[in-house]
Amino acid sequence: GAVVSQHPSWVICKSGTSVKIECRSLDFQATTMFWYRQFPKQSLMLMATSNEGSKATYEQGVEKDKFLINHASLTLSTLTVTSAHPEDSSFYICSARDLQGYSYNEQFFGPGTRLTVL
Amino acid sequence: GENVEQHPSTLSVQEGDSAVIKCTYSDSASNYFPWYKQELGKRPQLIIDIRSNVGEKKDQRIAVTLNKTAKHFSLHITETQPEDSAVYFCAANPSDSWGKLQFGAGTQVVVTP
Repeated sequence: GAVVSQHPSWVICKSGTSVKIECRSLDFQATTMFWYRQFPKQSLMLMATSNEGSKATYEQGVEKDKFLINHASLTLSTLTVTSAHPEDSSFYICSARDLQGYSYNEQFFGPGTRLTVL
Repeated sequence: GENVEQHPSTLSVQEGDSAVIKCTYSDSASNYFPWYKQELGKRPQLIIDIRSNVGEKKDQRIAVTLNKTAKHFSLHITETQPEDSAVYFCAANPSDSWGKLQFGAGTQVVVTP
């Protein structure tokens, strides 16, 4: 159990376009999901906390108008990178908590989305 | 906010030897400390975690110790095998959070046969 999927697994886009990434909890309800960005050989940097039915909470330095997060249901959160630029190229990973599960602290990670902006 | 420091950044060990990775945290109210293993291009996988009411936890070749007073926790891998080669991240759950995690910088572990 506690499986998280992400789509797409990789995407290449032109500078100035927008890209949407989906994060789904497949076998549990996730009231809270998290979005991370990971540059090569670096750690996971939390971008925002996504709460179902309310606005996301962004970490300091993350532009909320550039990285739009929508958590419209208990199993789906989306991250839209608007007006993407080459410096937005990165590995984007989501995670979710299963609050009904045995280990409610544990975060289950999606497989990640590799974004390349040309 | 929470600050997690992790050392060393790289660790080379001979197969069969032990590996130890250490992390410190700054928020004394943090109460959950997971360790993740990440292979290149893959998602982080939880390998062990510990809560603040426990000092040590073991799962086969992997153990974690927590010293709340000193605000540090460590990962111990015994009898290392080549498949243990990966990047390992520690994390802590800050007090202000909805369960969000602050990650350490990571340790690249290389186990040589």
